[in-house]
Amino acid sequence: AQSVTQLDSQVPVFEEAPVELRCNYSSSVSVYLFWYVQYPNQGLQLLLKYLSGSTLVKGINGFEAEFNKSQTSFHLRKPSVHISDTAEYFCAVSNSNDYKLSFGAGTTVTVRA
Amino acid sequence: SAVISQKPSRDICQRGTSLTIQCQVDSQVTMMFWYRQQPGQSLTLIATANQGSEATYESGFVIDKFPISRPNLTFSTLTVSNMSPEDSSIYLCSTGGGGGELFFGEGSRLTVL
Repeated sequence: AQSVTQLDSQVPVFEEAPVELRCNYSSSVSVYLFWYVQYPNQGLQLLLKYLSGSTLVKGINGFEAEFNKSQTSFHLRKPSVHISDTAEYFCAVSNSNDYKLSFGAGTTVTVRA
Repeated sequence: SAVISQKPSRDICQRGTSLTIQCQVDSQVTMMFWYRQQPGQSLTLIATANQGSEATYESGFVIDKFPISRPNLTFSTLTVSNMSPEDSSIYLCSTGGGGGELFFGEGSRLTVL
């Protein structure tokens, strides 16, 4: 079975500053990795995903993530955040294409002017 | 990506009553999934709903408490039965996107008094 650890529960950041959200996973087999964002009072929106190929994945809204197999990590980054990036961010992993995703506990990002 | 609509978006219910949540997808899909997100927590898979067969429940969730219907390829319902305050959560409907990812509805926010 796979599991996900999001190392930061809350990340305060100033507008236009960079942000990195850390995600580590454990799995004995090849994985699919995902980052989702949940804006206040909304459902989850897919930011980006890693299935195979290039380890640097670019997503929507200027986010990117890097898959590091040796470190079993999939950290999310954005070089310059906006107030509108204030949200909850979830890292998720699955072992195959069966849609059985395991989610991390989430990281709350609060962007301040 | 699929567009998923849920009803109700939020409700306040009395202890001991039951509530049925509806999920409508704008295209035919094989698998639909129901997740629970308890306050301040991550997502937990309740069950997988396939059209024409009984739903498959995850550990800790039972059909008597969370009966699910899947009458066709675009619709599913989740009932939360005999509710208690511990059932206060966001309930999310989702479906697979073809690349291993899930797409989610906006969620149904349930408060049990």
